Amino acid sequence: SAVISQKPSRDICQRGTSLTIQCQVDSQVTMMFWYRQQPGQSLTLIATANQGSEATYESGFVIDKFPISRPNLTFSTLTVSNMSPEDSSIYLCSAVAGELPDTDTQYFGPGTRLTVL
Amino acid sequence: GQNIDQPTEMTATEGAIVQINCTYQTSGFNGLFWYQQHAGEAPTFLSYNVLDGLEEKGRFSSFLSRSKGYSYLLLKELQMKDSASYLCAVRDYDYKLSFGAGTTVTVRA
Repeated sequence: SAVISQKPSRDICQRGTSLTIQCQVDSQVTMMFWYRQQPGQSLTLIATANQGSEATYESGFVIDKFPISRPNLTFSTLTVSNMSPEDSSIYLCSAVAGELPDTDTQYFGPGTRLTVL
Repeated sequence: GQNIDQPTEMTATEGAIVQINCTYQTSGFNGLFWYQQHAGEAPTFLSYNVLDGLEEKGRFSSFLSRSKGYSYLLLKELQMKDSASYLCAVRDYDYKLSFGAGTTVTVRA
């Protein structure tokens, strides 16, 4: 199994500023992802965090707005840039552990609750 | 892409059984997950199905039929703490999850 921690757990930010969220896994994992959960909605994938290379973004998400780093197999960061109130969401880090392709494990961190004023 | 449907809300009595259905249409299927999410918390893993059939884990069971694009989560001997949102998610070959909107289950005494 893998235990995922995120920092900060919550923050209140002013519009136009940026926030970097950290995700730390207690063991080496194969894949890491960032999801967003807007108020009252389900989870939406932002991007796949690729180790040592640029993240792969889903439709509607761009690198300038959500730069992502993954320097090693246990750590990733997501930055929410030039924030607006529409960015108020819970941001969740997720990891796939185990040997691909036969892995049934996909864990989530506790989430970062972001409020933009 | 993925299209995943599940009921919005369900209500049941403590000690009863509830079945949450999930139907999906996908461009690639690499497993189906069920997560439980309490208000204000992150999703927690409940079950995973990649082959047809029933997987049982204590009070929770999950069923999958790939040919029908159908799954269900069965919650038995309901307890008050089972009141939560239940998320059906389909994984593709890139290990990306697509989620349904979630089913809010309310357990009443």
